[in-house]
Amino acid sequence: SQTIHQWPATLVQPVGSPLSLECTVEGTSNPNLYWYRQAAGRGLQLLFYSIGIDQISSEVPQNLSASRPQDRQFILSSKKLLLSDSGFYLCAWSAQFGGYTFGSGTRLTVV
Amino acid sequence: QQPVQSPQAVILREGEDAVINCSSSKALYSVHWYRQKHGEAPVFLMILLKGGEQKGHDKISASFNEKKQQSSLYLTASQLSYSGTYFCGTERSDDKIIFGKGTRLHILP
Repeated sequence: SQTIHQWPATLVQPVGSPLSLECTVEGTSNPNLYWYRQAAGRGLQLLFYSIGIDQISSEVPQNLSASRPQDRQFILSSKKLLLSDSGFYLCAWSAQFGGYTFGSGTRLTVV
Repeated sequence: QQPVQSPQAVILREGEDAVINCSSSKALYSVHWYRQKHGEAPVFLMILLKGGEQKGHDKISASFNEKKQQSSLYLTASQLSYSGTYFCGTERSDDKIIFGKGTRLHILP
């Protein structure tokens, strides 16, 4: 069966520090991968999505970047965090035109 | 682009029914429904493809009116476990979902 792993679960980082969140999927090949962010009490904002290795589409111009160095690995990064980067970050995968399965999320607080 | 959900919040007593609506101004390929418990990740409920589909499992069902670009989620005889925030997600032809702002559902015993 397919599983998705996301870590860390929580993170507290100072303003200006770098960020790296990792997501891996097991049990499937060539998944579509997504990064979403959810501000406290708010909806889900699509940040990046990828249909294959090194194929990344950005939805919102911002302080973040994404990379997909391997088929089942998706990484969210930032060189310098801002206070506004705080939120609940969710990685998800889907088969083509299928439902999304979300990872357990990373709660990021920038201080 | 973001679909509009209504109502924003619902409070029900256990056993009552609820309807959550989702509408889009753009033509849709499919509509997804998810439920999110507080502090957890969203969980996939169902996907409806264009063609006027209806789906359901247990006491949760949904419909998709492609012409009206609308979908509705029906929760019948609600249970305490149904509490959470429900999101619809609309998908065009490019395989990515844009989510609505969510509908908070609270079930009272």
